[in-house]
Amino acid sequence: EPEVTQTPSHQVTQMGQEVILRCVPISNHLYFYWYRQILGQKVEFLVSFYNNEISEKSEIFDDQFSVERPDGSNFTLKIRSTKLEDSAMYFCATKWGQETYEQYFGPGTRLTVT
Amino acid sequence: GNSVTQMEGPVTLSEEAFLTINCTYTATGYPSLFWYVQYPGEGLQLLLKATKADDKGSNKGFEATYRKETTSFHLEKGSVQVSDSAVYFCALSWVSNFGNEKLTFGTGTRLTIIP
Repeated sequence: EPEVTQTPSHQVTQMGQEVILRCVPISNHLYFYWYRQILGQKVEFLVSFYNNEISEKSEIFDDQFSVERPDGSNFTLKIRSTKLEDSAMYFCATKWGQETYEQYFGPGTRLTVT
Repeated sequence: GNSVTQMEGPVTLSEEAFLTINCTYTATGYPSLFWYVQYPGEGLQLLLKATKADDKGSNKGFEATYRKETTSFHLEKGSVQVSDSAVYFCALSWVSNFGNEKLTFGTGTRLTIIP
């Protein structure tokens, strides 16, 4: 069964460094999402992406964050200058169409900022 | 706004016990409701869903009924197995003012089944 993959599974970085989290969506999916879960808290929506542009973003998704599909397959989340509070599990999700309800999630990347 | 409140964990049960994980929601309009499960080292997987009031979602022996009058979507299973040990997330789907579908999750409930 097709699945969403994410790399790395765990990233440790120092405060102020840039990180790029990668996701490989299911091949025919058109809608892409990033979510995050700070330890012990809820899974929160960050951003949705369709047709090579951001369709919606949350208040969390400030200027330090960006997303892109650099090569038509990977879907990346970049954090330009990480802060301690960016430490969380980041999930990528994808779905085929607007009317379908199921988002397929990747296993997540655990980001630890020290 | 839209939100989901689910039972705090962790929950530990013996094999073959009856499981209930409570979930209530607050939403405007008519959201769809979901239970996702996360097994160790894996991503979130859709377990079951219900798209309108009184619908019952079911999968792998788990069931949940969309109750509009009590704004609830409690997850139940009659006889749990060790392989059901995982984190369970209740979620609702809604369409934002920008026409985008978004998921709002609960905090997750860690379930451990002991033989």
